[in-house]
Amino acid sequence: EPEVTQTPSHQVTQMGQEVILRCVPISNHLYFYWYRQILGQKVEFLVSFYNNEISEKSEIFDDQFSVERPDGSNFTLKIRSTKLEDSAMYFCASRDPDRTAYEQYFGPGTRLTVT
Amino acid sequence: QQPVQSPQAVILREGEDAVINCSSSKALYSVHWYRQKHGEAPVFLMILLKGGEQKGHEKISASFNEKKQQSSLYLTASQLSYSGTYFCGTEMGDSNYQLIWGAGTKLIIKP
Repeated sequence: EPEVTQTPSHQVTQMGQEVILRCVPISNHLYFYWYRQILGQKVEFLVSFYNNEISEKSEIFDDQFSVERPDGSNFTLKIRSTKLEDSAMYFCASRDPDRTAYEQYFGPGTRLTVT
Repeated sequence: QQPVQSPQAVILREGEDAVINCSSSKALYSVHWYRQKHGEAPVFLMILLKGGEQKGHEKISASFNEKKQQSSLYLTASQLSYSGTYFCGTEMGDSNYQLIWGAGTKLIIKP
């Protein structure tokens, strides 16, 4: 069964550094999402992406964040200058364009630790 | 705008039943239910669409009352594997299917 993959599984970075989290969505999916989950807390929506552009973003997704689909298969989340509070699990999800199939398929997540 | 889940936590013995509720102050287009085990990604359970349908998945079922803007997840004859945190995600229908997540309900099943 096709699945969403994410790399790396764990990234440790110093405050102020840039990080890029990578995701490979399921191949025929057209809607892509990034969520984050601070340890022990709920999942929070960051951004949705469709047709090569951001369709919606939350208040969390400020100018430090950006997303790209550089080559038609990868979907990346970049954090330009990481802060301690960016430490969290970051989940990528994708969704089938068929309107009758609403499930979002989640990747295994990338644990980001900012020191 | 965040849906409210209740209770925050439930402790059950294996074989007992549980109900988890998810309420919104806004009109909902759909409700998604996910289960997340510690250190893992959320796993999809089911979606309920506007129309008040009810769905089932083995011994886990759910209902969606669009008038009350509320969904309930029913776990019957719980098994140890049901342990985890249950999240509801709501869609308003006016967005590109982004989910707004509740805070989660932690379910602990004891043998």
